[in-house]
Amino acid sequence: SQQGEEDPQALSIQEGENATMNCSYKTSINNLQWYRQNSGRGLVHLILIRSNEREKHSGRLRVTLDTSKKSSSLLITASRAADTASYFCATVRNSGNTPLVFGKGTRLSVIA
Amino acid sequence: GAVVSQHPSRVICKSGTSVKIECRSLDFQATTMFWYRQFPKQSLMLMATSNEGSKATYEQGVEKDKFLINHASLTLSTLTVTSAHPEDSSFYICSARDLDGGAGETQYFGPGTRLLVL
Repeated sequence: SQQGEEDPQALSIQEGENATMNCSYKTSINNLQWYRQNSGRGLVHLILIRSNEREKHSGRLRVTLDTSKKSSSLLITASRAADTASYFCATVRNSGNTPLVFGKGTRLSVIA
Repeated sequence: GAVVSQHPSRVICKSGTSVKIECRSLDFQATTMFWYRQFPKQSLMLMATSNEGSKATYEQGVEKDKFLINHASLTLSTLTVTSAHPEDSSFYICSARDLDGGAGETQYFGPGTRLLVL
């Protein structure tokens, strides 16, 4: 079953603009992760944020987590054409060997 | 970082045949691996959790007799799609966690196997 719902489903922006994607989930979590997937390719892990963290940065990426609202956002600043991909949030309910449950994803298109 | 490989990367088969997909953790051991399926323009759906030395745990709606999972060692899990039909055509992705608790939060994904059943 899927845990998260991404919003928007598709986003098209100009190069240099910022892109914001949101994710909501249903159950309590141990951590939330964001992944990128280029068309027809494997997943690339972007960033992990734990349930006791509120914000995290990695290069041009900024992730926030609001556990009270069961939501997270991924901000990509100064977007590039190479950022064009699908972005998924995924949650882990417990520590240990529990699987990632993925949201539906946001398809981002960055136009040069 | 840790590497997970899948073989084959792409397979085309006739309806009714069985297809085996291998998932290997190359530089770490994994007692648990996960199998996902992804249809075009959709998200990854968890199919099953593969446990080394024991039976796999299947998600609701996934037929265990249709998708046979074997996790015979700490570095290898296989998914066999039995009597494949065109509706089984999909992108199959495996993942694994390193046994090392410190790295255990990150799930490492294989590059995926694209299955096309004619």
